[in-house]
Amino acid sequence: GAVVSQHPSWVICKSGTSVKIECRSLDFQATTMFWYRQFPKQSLMLMATSNEGSKATYEQGVEKDKFLINHASLTLSTLTVTSAHPEDSSFYICSARPHLRQGEQFFGPGTRLTVL
Amino acid sequence: AQSVSQHNHHVILSEAASLELGCNYSYGGTVNLFWYVQYPGQHLQLLLKYFSGDPLVKGIKGFEAEFIKSKFSFNLRKPSVQWSDTAEYFCAVIAGNTGKLIFGQGTTLQVKP
Repeated sequence: GAVVSQHPSWVICKSGTSVKIECRSLDFQATTMFWYRQFPKQSLMLMATSNEGSKATYEQGVEKDKFLINHASLTLSTLTVTSAHPEDSSFYICSARPHLRQGEQFFGPGTRLTVL
Repeated sequence: AQSVSQHNHHVILSEAASLELGCNYSYGGTVNLFWYVQYPGQHLQLLLKYFSGDPLVKGIKGFEAEFIKSKFSFNLRKPSVQWSDTAEYFCAVIAGNTGKLIFGQGTTLQVKP
């Protein structure tokens, strides 16, 4: 149980285009999902907290107009990288926290974004 | 701001050697502590966690960690590593009621057969 999927697993796009990444909790409901960014050989940095039915909370330094987050249901959150640039190339990882279970998060496999 | 520090960035061990990876955090209040592992090409998996109770917690695959509150530490140990333990290890903390996981920089463990 507690499986989180991400789609796509990798994407290559041209500079200036937008890319949508989906995060789904497959066998549990998640009122809260998190989006992280991981640079090569570095740790995960929290970008934003996504709560079902409300606006996402962004960490300091993360542009909310560039990284659009939508958490429309208890099993789906999406991250849209708008007008992507090469510096947005990274590994994006989501996690989901089961409803009524504080603390524990389950991670998706990540999405590798390459912007040309 | 809360932070997590992992002192060992790259550790190389031979099989059967003992492992200890250091983790310290900066936060004076209640914490939830985690160790995650990321095997090559795979997603993050939870090794073990501490919420309360016995400060010595046992996780999967023979790993354990000890929470020492006075030292703000949560070091990961394994008495005898295997080649299959080669991976990236991350210590993470949730400080107070934030619900946010703060990750350490990660430690790359390489086990030589």
